[in-house]
Amino acid sequence: NAGVTQTPKFRILKIGQSMTLQCTQDMNHNYMYWYRQDPGMGLKLIYYSVGAGITDKGEVPNGYNVSRSTTEDFPLRLELAAPSQTSVYFCASSYWTIRSAKNIQYFGAGTRLSVL
Amino acid sequence: QQPVQSPQAVILREGEDAVINCSSSKALYSVHWYRQKHGEAPVFLMILLKGGEQKGHDKISASFNEKKQQSSLYLTASQLSYSGTYFCGTEMATNAGGTSYGKLTFGQGTILTVHP
Repeated sequence: NAGVTQTPKFRILKIGQSMTLQCTQDMNHNYMYWYRQDPGMGLKLIYYSVGAGITDKGEVPNGYNVSRSTTEDFPLRLELAAPSQTSVYFCASSYWTIRSAKNIQYFGAGTRLSVL
Repeated sequence: QQPVQSPQAVILREGEDAVINCSSSKALYSVHWYRQKHGEAPVFLMILLKGGEQKGHDKISASFNEKKQQSSLYLTASQLSYSGTYFCGTEMATNAGGTSYGKLTFGQGTILTVHP
C-alpha cells in the first residue's frame, strides 16, 4: 500500500516564486491535513479538510492555499514564497467518524522546502 | 493552545526507563503519541481517549489523567530503536465534553537518545 504520497521530496524556491506541493492518499480517508515543521520544533497545522470540497484554516494559514476536489488529493499552494516559509511540510490523512472518534493520522514522507 | 511536553530531552542507556509528560491547559478529548526519527515522518504510537484509560504495546505504554489534562508516555527497558523525537498531539474537548472532530495540536517534542 502506498499510503500518503508527497511530491516533490525537495525543492528550492526563489523569493516571490510560487509552487504547489502535491499530496495524495489511497486509503479512502476522509480527513486530510497539511503541517509545517520548522527545525527542532513541533508540527503546526496549516490547513485541513474533512472531505472533498470542504477545507478550513489551521494555526498558520497565511501565505498558503488549499483545495480538495477529490477524496484522494489535497494540494498545498504557496503564493509569493518568502524565506519564512522555509520548512519541512508534511501531509497527513485519517479516517474519522463520530462513532469511533479516533483520529489516527498517517503521515507522508515530507517535502523539504528552502526559499532563498 | 499548544500542549507542553517535558522533559525537552532525555539520554538513556539501553535497558533504562523513561517517562515523557504532556500537559494542556484546556480540557482534552484525546491524546495521541507519535514518534519521529531524524529525517522521517512521524509515526503513530497510540491514542488515549478521555476516561482515564491506559494503553500499551510491547514496552511502551501511556496514561491519560483527564482531571489534570495530562498524559504520560512510559518507555521501559529502552532499546536503541526507541531513539527519536516523541510528540504528543492533543484534541480539545468541546464545551459539552465531546470531540472537536479530530483536530490535533502538537507539542514541541521530546528528544530521546538511547546509547548502547
